[in-house]
Amino acid sequence: DAKTTQPNSMESNEEEPVHLPCNHSTISGTDYIHWYRQLPSQGPEYVIHGLTSNVNNRMASLAIAEDRKSSTLILHRATLRDAAVYYCTLWVNRDDKIIFGKGTRLHILP
Amino acid sequence: KAGVTQTPRYLIKTRGQQVTLSCSPISGHRSVSWYQQTPGQGLQFLFEYFSETQRNKGNFPGRFSGRQFSNSRSEMNVSTLELGDSALYLCASRTDPANTGELFFGEGSRLTVL
Repeated sequence: DAKTTQPNSMESNEEEPVHLPCNHSTISGTDYIHWYRQLPSQGPEYVIHGLTSNVNNRMASLAIAEDRKSSTLILHRATLRDAAVYYCTLWVNRDDKIIFGKGTRLHILP
Repeated sequence: KAGVTQTPRYLIKTRGQQVTLSCSPISGHRSVSWYQQTPGQGLQFLFEYFSETQRNKGNFPGRFSGRQFSNSRSEMNVSTLELGDSALYLCASRTDPANTGELFFGEGSRLTVL
């Protein structure tokens, strides 16, 4: 079964870049990699997604390994508002459903 | 435009009772999926509805069911509640199943079973 593995928690200083890693060695060729984040008392919020190529948007960048077995979410300049649980997820194409990892709790130090 | 709306936000039930949760998707979104979030198991997919039909489902017992109405609003029902059903239930919407991009989540309904 598809699954993702992430560190339980990470810490970063405000205004510095943050690299959040994710392993997904069981990924299939048509599965998309999605990242969501969840702030306290809120539902998950979409961050970014990709299939094979690196992706950038206004929130973050997604770097996908050439073999697609791992990816890294990059927050270019962390702020206190970026403190959240970040979920690396797989959109399993054959089942057409999303599989969430356990998430990484990101702490931002002022 | 308005986001995904879930009601009620909080509710308390006792074992053996049943509960119905409601989800109104973003206007124009026709696909609604449901998730259970617990500290132990994390976020788990329950099922997805599109055009009033269940498209797929996760590994949950038959006590968990849902439906979708012609206006795309969805409800999920849990019968014969157990203590372990205490969780945050989240729904998400997307335009249609062909869209493998962004899911829009509601704030969830927090269910406590006593």
